[in-house]
Amino acid sequence: DVVLTQSPLSLPVTLGQPASISCRSSESLVYSDGNTYLNWFHQRPGQSPRRLIYKVSKRDSGVPDRFSGSGSGTDFTLEISSVEAEDVGVYFCMQYTHWPPFFGGGTKVEIK
Amino acid sequence: EVQLVESGGALVQPGGSLKLSCAASGFTFSDSAVHWVRQASGKGLEWVGRIRSKANNYATSFGASVNGRFTMSRDDSKKTAYLQMNSLQTEDTAVYYCTRMDNYWGQGTLVTVSS
Repeated sequence: DVVLTQSPLSLPVTLGQPASISCRSSESLVYSDGNTYLNWFHQRPGQSPRRLIYKVSKRDSGVPDRFSGSGSGTDFTLEISSVEAEDVGVYFCMQYTHWPPFFGGGTKVEIK
Repeated sequence: EVQLVESGGALVQPGGSLKLSCAASGFTFSDSAVHWVRQASGKGLEWVGRIRSKANNYATSFGASVNGRFTMSRDDSKKTAYLQMNSLQTEDTAVYYCTRMDNYWGQGTLVTVSS
């Protein structure tokens, strides 16, 4: 199975400052159709996950533009340009290029 | 408004069975695949399995940790998907979410396997 490794595990951030989360795959996530099926999810404390980004860099409806996704092949990044209080929680990357779908271990974002 | 609502979570003894339901509304359920994802307390997300639409022959697929013990079904007339869990183990204790694996997830239902 494809394994996703996220770093860091914990990310203390200052309000208004940028944040960056890495997700590395054990295999290339480029599918035979040319797409790369790498998603990012955010889970606030006590809530269900919510997808933020799909296919590496496409923002879901209603997701603030301070969130951006980038990367290719095996290395991907989620960036928050200016962290707000509501951004706390755990962020997960997930791949579904290869079966079965697999989630990264998560990165906990907290305010300093 | 798209909604997914899970139910059926309970305390069950090891070796027991449980059936979870996922009631959907606000979208064309019959055209959609439904995934189940679980999360043990304080842990990450684990994909459990998926059932596809009628157009895709209701094909199911499962993660290795539950394959052979869990099954999925759906009733498109009731807009409901089901997760049948057999031979439950303590390691199956988790909150179970149903989702389209997009922006829409249920609130989750807690399954506790303990004697």
